Amino acid sequence: AQSVTQLDSQVPVFEEAPVELRCNYSSSVSVYLFWYVQYPNQGLQLLLKYLSGSTLVESINGFEAEFNKSQTSFHLRKPSVHISDTAEYFCAVSKSGATNKLIFGTGTLLAVQP
Amino acid sequence: DTEVTQTPKHLVMGMTNKKSLKCEQHMGHRAMYWYKQKAKKPPELMFVYSYEKLSINESVPSRFSPECPNSSLLNLHLHALQPEDSALYLCASSQEGSLPPTDTQYFGPGTRLTVL
Repeated sequence: AQSVTQLDSQVPVFEEAPVELRCNYSSSVSVYLFWYVQYPNQGLQLLLKYLSGSTLVESINGFEAEFNKSQTSFHLRKPSVHISDTAEYFCAVSKSGATNKLIFGTGTLLAVQP
Repeated sequence: DTEVTQTPKHLVMGMTNKKSLKCEQHMGHRAMYWYKQKAKKPPELMFVYSYEKLSINESVPSRFSPECPNSSLLNLHLHALQPEDSALYLCASSQEGSLPPTDTQYFGPGTRLTVL
């Protein structure tokens, strides 16, 4: 069975510092990887996704993630965070060959402090 | 327009009530989803509709009854719920819902349900 692991339930960081949110997946088949962000009292928004091609994917608000097949990881990074980045971040995987299902990790709360 | 709307935003109901949650999208998407999200937890898939047909039911209790009247609308009918059903109910849609599962799912803001 495939799964997604986000080891860090909460990551506190000071404003303008860099951050990395970790995501590892387990799967024996090709996967498609997503990062979603959930701001307080809101639904989920797609941040970025990896389907194929370049292993480094970027979002419009400065986040990037790198697909690493050998380490089965898809870590999310930002070189300098803002207070407004405070939110819950979910890594998710959908599996090639399966029906259209997203499997979410348990989420990481990014808490940006001034 | 990349918006999925959900009504109501908040709902409080008793265990004997019947209520419905509504979801709407006008992006021409042919797949729609219901998720349940408890506090501090990831969303859990409940149902998937693809081309207005139920394609996935994740063993959800029958007190939850989904309905897809047309390609833009998705309802979730609630009856005889339990207090543990209190959660944020999220609707999502994606373009195709078919294989391979590369579609981006667009989420609505959710309905926060409290069952007394």
